[in-house]
Amino acid sequence: EDQVTQSPEALRLQEGESSSLNCSYTVSGLRGLFWYRQDPGKGPEFLFTLYSAGEEKEKERLKATLTKKESFLHITAPKPEDSATYLCAVQAWETSGSRLTFGEGTQLTVNP
Amino acid sequence: NAGVTQTPKFQVLKTGQSMTLQCAQDMNHNSMYWYRQDPGMGLRLIYYSASEGTTDKGEVPNGYNVSRLNKREFSLRLESAAPSQTSVYFCASRRDEGDGYTFGSGTRLTVV
Repeated sequence: EDQVTQSPEALRLQEGESSSLNCSYTVSGLRGLFWYRQDPGKGPEFLFTLYSAGEEKEKERLKATLTKKESFLHITAPKPEDSATYLCAVQAWETSGSRLTFGEGTQLTVNP
Repeated sequence: NAGVTQTPKFQVLKTGQSMTLQCAQDMNHNSMYWYRQDPGMGLRLIYYSASEGTTDKGEVPNGYNVSRLNKREFSLRLESAAPSQTSVYFCASRRDEGDGYTFGSGTRLTVV
């Protein structure tokens, strides 16, 4: 059974204070690891897909990295508008229907 | 470009009532999904449709039924609502395996 664990559950930062969110996963053959951002009252918004260990992707102040056991979402010099819940999800090769298994998310608050 | 459209946005049901949640996508995506999101439990897959004409159970299918009406539309039906089905329901779609999901904005359902 695929499992995704995200830590910390909540993170409070000051504007400009860089940090990282963690996503640990257990899957029998990783096809892809996905990061989403979710604002209150809205659906998750796709950020990145990572496919193999060592891969990195960047978007503005966000950078996602992947190892064989975990992924990190690094936030550099965050701004208040980066406040959201960040979700991690995995897809295994043998999973039918391209289903994703999600973690519970990290709620990020960036104070001005 | 509307993306994924869910209706209604809010609904209150009495125990035992039935209702159908509607979902439509205009991106010509092949796969569609229904998830529920509950505090402390993350997003859990209810049903999915890997392609037009097929549907399969996800992690928590009990009490629900689905219909893939055509390539655009995927509906979720609660035949006899229970308080345990109080949740936020998200529909998502995906063009190909390996792509990120596109989510709708959600339906907040309360069963009293």
